[in-house]
Amino acid sequence: KAGVTQTPRYLIKTRGQQVTLSCSPISGHRSVSWYQQTPGQGLQFLFEYFSETQRNKGNFPGRFSGRQFSNSRSEMNVSTLELGDSALYLCASSSSQGERNTEAFFGQGTRLTVV
Amino acid sequence: AQSVTQLGSHVSVSEGALVLLRCNYSSSVPPYLFWYVQYPNQGLQLLLKYTTGATLVKGINGFEAEFKKSETSFHLTKPSAHMSDAAEYFCAVSFSGGYQKVTFGTGTKLQVIP
Repeated sequence: KAGVTQTPRYLIKTRGQQVTLSCSPISGHRSVSWYQQTPGQGLQFLFEYFSETQRNKGNFPGRFSGRQFSNSRSEMNVSTLELGDSALYLCASSSSQGERNTEAFFGQGTRLTVV
Repeated sequence: AQSVTQLGSHVSVSEGALVLLRCNYSSSVPPYLFWYVQYPNQGLQLLLKYTTGATLVKGINGFEAEFKKSETSFHLTKPSAHMSDAAEYFCAVSFSGGYQKVTFGTGTKLQVIP
């Protein structure tokens, strides 16, 4: 069974630009979560999607958005990039059944550098 | 609200020595608890999890953790450290009945000295 796939692995963008990151979950998993990891703030929850609906959202500005498609693949978008958005963005999928939690399986992440 | 505290951002042990990484949690409802490991420039890999039932949980690579409700702790141990154990370890908590939102600790970098 293929794992969680994130593309691209590395990305360099300029301040003010926007970026879209992609995540393909494990086959059969309908829940996709996104996290931002930085040396200063650690791992922070961005949002979670289940069946194309955002179920939970972390404390990030509106520049951070996401969506999920009918095949459970998810994208996150960051607009008007700032230097502080440089981070490793991790996607996790789980076979969440309704409100029942299961463990999250993580992708290798996308390393975003804003210059 | 839920939170996780990991004591010690860096831990060094000699190869063959006991590994003990500390984690305390705070949760207003019965928690699900996890330990993840992260190697440089990689994602997180699940080592073990506690949901319900047996409080001593065994995971991969010889790691285990014990859920102690009275101490609100979930410390990670391994009897004998191996060089390949050098990595960053994250303790995490989520609600037993909530959505897939996991709160992570700040991580502990484990160094194994030959």
